[in-house]
Amino acid sequence: QVQLQQWGAGLLKPSETLSLTCAVYGGSFIGYYWSWIRQPPGKGLEWIGEIHHGGSTNYNPSLKSRVTISIDTSKNQFSLRLSSVTAADTSMYYCARSTRGAWYYDWGQGTLVTVSS
Amino acid sequence: DIQMTQSPSSLSASVGDRVTITCRASQSISSYLNWYQQKSGKAPNLLIYTASSLQSGVPSRFSGSGSGTDFTLTISSLQPEDFATYYCQQSYNTPRTFGQGTKVEIK
Repeated sequence: QVQLQQWGAGLLKPSETLSLTCAVYGGSFIGYYWSWIRQPPGKGLEWIGEIHHGGSTNYNPSLKSRVTISIDTSKNQFSLRLSSVTAADTSMYYCARSTRGAWYYDWGQGTLVTVSS
Repeated sequence: DIQMTQSPSSLSASVGDRVTITCRASQSISSYLNWYQQKSGKAPNLLIYTASSLQSGVPSRFSGSGSGTDFTLTISSLQPEDFATYYCQQSYNTPRTFGQGTKVEIK
């Protein structure tokens, strides 16, 4: 049973950089796509981007200029960095696993990130 | 981006009711449509993938259908644990996009 455990700073000031990490336990890192998805309080889901174990990435064009997703296969971890945050980036952030088919069948527990001065 | 539109945005139903939620894509996505259930404070849970395939461990009262632009999630007999918000998601291309959600409440 694969488990995704995520962590990172929960309170940021405007213009700071959001940084989250997701560790994968109990399963292979190889052959899967590893994604970040966010959800503003009381709202719907927004796909941020994904990384393949080989390192190739896809980002949401709406965030692409500020997003970096990276991977550390030696630690079975992948990370999200979102620069120049504003209040609009306040959300619950989830990491998730998919195959190439891009349906998300394993999720992290979520990290609430609040941006406030 | 492909826009996903769900209807209704919310509904009230009773235990035992048959519930249908629809999802429409702004362009054809073949069968690259997935459904999730989300309960308050929890991560989404995959129910259906590729429009009609039931995820392992999901009760058989959940079913999905459709192709092209129009899709349906059906709960054949609503159970107390099914009161939640449901989202569709297209996996036809990037950026992956979700519907706005349908909240199923107790009547």
